[in-house]
Amino acid sequence: DGGITQSPKYLFRKEGQNVTLSCEQNLNHDAMYWYRQDPGQGLRLIYYSQIVNDFQKGDIAEGYSVSREKKESFPLTVTSAQKNPTAFYLCASRGTGVNRVEAFFGQGTRLTVV
Amino acid sequence: QKEVEQDPGPLSVPEGAIVSLNCTYSNSAFQYFMWYRQYSRKGPELLMYTYSSGNKEDGRFTAQVDKSSKYISLFIRDSQPSDSATYLCAMRSSGSARQLTFGSGTQLTVLP
Repeated sequence: DGGITQSPKYLFRKEGQNVTLSCEQNLNHDAMYWYRQDPGQGLRLIYYSQIVNDFQKGDIAEGYSVSREKKESFPLTVTSAQKNPTAFYLCASRGTGVNRVEAFFGQGTRLTVV
Repeated sequence: QKEVEQDPGPLSVPEGAIVSLNCTYSNSAFQYFMWYRQYSRKGPELLMYTYSSGNKEDGRFTAQVDKSSKYISLFIRDSQPSDSATYLCAMRSSGSARQLTFGSGTQLTVLP
């Protein structure tokens, strides 16, 4: 089945640690996105990528990094510079051109600082 | 002021009721309007998608867009307990590569 797979579902990070969240899609979508969701604040855009080897900062990119080496994959690293990383992280993809649809989301990764 | 405002609720209704969910926005460039449903601890799923002003119906769901008032609505008829979720409105301008601007979501509970 086509879709977006995020892993792990739950992730625990110690203070000062970098962690990487995985996002893989087999929808052949060009564009991929990372959002952060906090209670009562909706979804906020962290990074997005429209094409392989290119990505752009969103509204809250500080303390995060991404890569887009393959069309199918868009991993997010939460660095130690992110002071308040505990949140629900959502990856999304979107087709462009004739495959254009609105954002299709993965099931999320819940990150907790311990 | 946020670009998109959405009443967070929570909203509780009895089974079978008509539910009205709403968002207002300030950016007149928004052209595409969406409603997502999000169950607890899950990713959002697209419910309705509307371009510009007008109504769109899909089963028990009706989406309305009034661009002159910068106001969008989602109506759920004959609500069911399985409709209990958080509903997020989202919108974007034409050609926007930055994707969507979301409301904060309304938590809905349909009581059996």
